[in-house]
Amino acid sequence: GDSVTQMEGPVTLSEEAFLTINCTYTATGYPSLFWYVQYPGEGLQLLLKATKADDKGSNKGFEATYRKETTSFHLEKGSVQVSDSAVYFCALRTNAGNMLTFGGGTRLMVKP
Amino acid sequence: GAGVSQTPSNKVTEKGKYVELRCDPISGHTALYWYRQSLGQGPEFLIYFQGTGAADDSGLPNDRFFAVRPEGSVSTLKIQRTERGDSAVYLCASSSQGQGGDEQFFGPGTRLTVL
Repeated sequence: GDSVTQMEGPVTLSEEAFLTINCTYTATGYPSLFWYVQYPGEGLQLLLKATKADDKGSNKGFEATYRKETTSFHLEKGSVQVSDSAVYFCALRTNAGNMLTFGGGTRLMVKP
Repeated sequence: GAGVSQTPSNKVTEKGKYVELRCDPISGHTALYWYRQSLGQGPEFLIYFQGTGAADDSGLPNDRFFAVRPEGSVSTLKIQRTERGDSAVYLCASSSQGQGGDEQFFGPGTRLTVL
């Protein structure tokens, strides 16, 4: 079945450090890929998405590129801020189905 | 409405009791989803509605779980004979068409605690 694997946290960084959160997937067909973020005390929010191979999703300084050859969708940001502290979830959605399949989440803590 | 709303925000019940969780999707969204998020894990799919009908209920863990959406808007997730293992945050999401690239908008969740 479909699955998403992402690096375990917590990831602790200093402000302005470079961030990478790895995400790999297994799916039939050609899924759409998503990163969702959950800030403390808030609900899940879509951060960015990519719907086909080599697409790059970007938002709020975060980027992720859909790599079909490595079945990956790693999240990156060049300079993190304290306000980026949250839990990040990688997810996929196949064209055959409608539900999202999520990874286990990665907690990011950014220290000033 | 501005977003997806869920009530109650918290529900504490005793083992064996019946509970109902409500979801109000974004107005006009035809697709509605229920997910369950256990502590420290990602959300897991339960059921998907397109309009009034359950198009995919493959994620419901057993027959104690049931969901309805009688008028194609509000949905209720019903859990019978609750067990301690049902304790989790139940998330509802809606999207405009339910197709591959559509964004799913999530509600704040209902935290269910079964004592």
